[in-house]
Amino acid sequence: GEDVEQSLFLSVREGDSSVINCTYTDSSSTYLYWYKQEPGAGLQLLTYIFSNMDMKQDQRLTVLLNKKDKHLSLRIADTQTGDSAIYFCAVAGSQGNLIFGKGTKLSVKP
Amino acid sequence: KAGVTQTPRYLIKTRGQQVTLSCSPISGHRSVSWYQQTPGQGLQFLFEYFSETQRNKGNFPGRFSGRQFSNSRSEMNVSTLELGDSALYLCASSLVSGQGGPGAFFGQGTRLTVV
Repeated sequence: GEDVEQSLFLSVREGDSSVINCTYTDSSSTYLYWYKQEPGAGLQLLTYIFSNMDMKQDQRLTVLLNKKDKHLSLRIADTQTGDSAIYFCAVAGSQGNLIFGKGTKLSVKP
Repeated sequence: KAGVTQTPRYLIKTRGQQVTLSCSPISGHRSVSWYQQTPGQGLQFLFEYFSETQRNKGNFPGRFSGRQFSNSRSEMNVSTLELGDSALYLCASSLVSGQGGPGAFFGQGTRLTVV
C-alpha cells in the first residue's frame, strides 16, 4: 500500500538551515504537501509542490522533489525558535485522501 | 475568511457511550474529510464527504460514521466508544474532492478522551 516515511527528530541551532526529508511509495500523487503542527493545534498547510516541478521556493521555505527517487524535502532557511513544531509530509492516496508520514519533530536551540 | 471550525475542542466520554463531533468548513469549500490522530498510528483517514455524499472511506469499523449537510457542515459520530478511540480528530476542508485541488485546510481538532 501507499506509505510515507520521515525521520522522527531533527535538532538545529537558531539561524541554521533545517532540512526535513521524506520518501514515499506511490508516485501518482498530483500534489505533495508539507504541514506543520504546533502543540495542541491542528495542521497548518505550509506549502505544496505540483508533481511536475523539481523545486518550489516560498520565502524561507524551499521544497525539492526528486520523482525518480520518490524523495521530497523541506528546507527552512534561518530557522527560528518559532519554527519548533512537528512537520508532516503528505501525498494524495489513490482514494484522494491524504497519506501522512509520522512527522518530524523539529527542535530549535537558541 | 474564517477557517475550519471544529466543535467541541475537548470531550471526555465513558466507554460504551456515543459522541458527535462537528466541523464547519471554509466558506465555499464543499469537501470535508475526517482524520484520526494518535501517537501510535499517526494520522489516519476516516472518510470524505463532498456535496452531502460520502466519497471515500478509510479502514475504520462501522462504529465510525459521518454525514454532511447542504451547507457543507459535517458531523462525525462514534458509537459504543472504546478506550482506543481516544485521539485528536481533525477535520479538513477543501474546494474539490480528491487530487483536484492544492491541499486541504485543517481545523484545530477535537480532543476526545474515553475513560
